[in-house]
Amino acid sequence: QITLKESGPTLVKPTQTLTLTCTFSGFSLSTAGVAVGWIRQPPGKALEWLSLIYWDDDKRYSPSLKSKLTITKDTSKNLVVLTMTNMDPVDTGTYYCAHKAWGSGSGTQYFNYWGQGTLVTVSS
Amino acid sequence: SYELTQPPSVSVSPGQTASITCSGDKLGDKYAWWYQQKPGQSPVLVIYQNDKRPSGIPERFSGSNSGNTATLTISGTQAMDEADYYCQAWDSSTFYVFGTGTKVTVV
Repeated sequence: QITLKESGPTLVKPTQTLTLTCTFSGFSLSTAGVAVGWIRQPPGKALEWLSLIYWDDDKRYSPSLKSKLTITKDTSKNLVVLTMTNMDPVDTGTYYCAHKAWGSGSGTQYFNYWGQGTLVTVSS
Repeated sequence: SYELTQPPSVSVSPGQTASITCSGDKLGDKYAWWYQQKPGQSPVLVIYQNDKRPSGIPERFSGSNSGNTATLTISGTQAMDEADYYCQAWDSSTFYVFGTGTKVTVV
């Protein structure tokens, strides 16, 4: 059974750096073909993909947010960490981590398991 | 950058068919996926690779993808299907792209 859970601060001040942790179970990020991603959702708005990390430490970032984001993994602890710098009120929203379907082909580029999400508010 | 556009809302009567469109440049040349999100909950995959249903998803959910439009169809819509629906595609430069979202109301 695959489960993921996000954790991190609920409130950050503008210009601060946000650090979110995704703790997962039911799979290993050392297994070929496995990847974990981050997606966010401002209140009342659409989903927005942020970043993804593969089992081999290959990383992908949203082109529009690339300069703000860093994704890392700790395979031994089954966790993925996302940092986002220079937070702004427009970054307020629910942040989800999700398991990408196994594999690297074009037909596997979707998310089949999602965490419960964590709400982050950016305000002074 | 690659963009996917959905109608903001769709209304359907119970038992009727709801169709939700997702438009993107040459979307038919890519795979489309669909997620259902109920208030306060995480998204749930309902269609993958254009027209496949994950286990546990009712048969009333179906999908198609051709030209510039992917479509999610809910046949015999039930009150429990009231939710926001998002399409998603993958592009080699933009990577994972989500649609603008459609709120389905069963009235």
